Amino acid sequence: KQEVTQIPAALSVPEGENLVLNCSFTDSAIYNLQWFRQDPGKGLTSLLLIQSSQREQTSGRLNASLDKSSGRSTLYIAASQPGDSATYLCAVSGGGGSNYKLTFGKGTLLTVNP
Amino acid sequence: NAGVTQTPKFQVLKTGQSMTLQCAQDMNHEYMSWYRQDPGMGLRLIHYSVGAGITDQGEVPNGYNVSRSTTEDFPLRLLSAAPSQTSVYFCASSRVTNQPQHFGDGTRLSIL
Repeated sequence: KQEVTQIPAALSVPEGENLVLNCSFTDSAIYNLQWFRQDPGKGLTSLLLIQSSQREQTSGRLNASLDKSSGRSTLYIAASQPGDSATYLCAVSGGGGSNYKLTFGKGTLLTVNP
Repeated sequence: NAGVTQTPKFQVLKTGQSMTLQCAQDMNHEYMSWYRQDPGMGLRLIHYSVGAGITDQGEVPNGYNVSRSTTEDFPLRLLSAAPSQTSVYFCASSRVTNQPQHFGDGTRLSIL
């Protein structure tokens, strides 16, 4: 059974810092990996999707990398801003199940202090 | 462009009552799914559908029923509500497997 772990569970940084969020998964036979953002009381917003054949994806100040063989992904946030404060969730598809079915980590709660 | 719409946003039920959580998407997505989110447990897949007329179970299907008669709608039915089903329920959709999934804003359900 696929399991996804996110470290750290919570992170507090001053504004302007570069930071890294970590995600690991137990079954490397994934189809893709997605990073989501969740604001309090809201749904999930997809930030980046990395196909299993890709190594990284970039969107603005966000960069996500994937090392499928070691079962790891990182989300790099450059020049953090208070508006980046949210819970960040990592999810993988495949890994023994349908390519549509997502297995989620429990998230990293990020607080960026002004 | 409404995206994924879930109704109601909040609901309180008594144990044993039944209800249907509605989910509709206007993006012509084939794939739709239901998750529940609980503190300390993360999001877990309840049921999913890869197209009209096709549904399958996820990780935690017991106590829930689904059907998919149209591409747009994917309702989730609680047959006999139990306190353990108190949770936040999210509906998601995507066009194909290599495209991001879009989530609704959730239904917050309390069972007394």
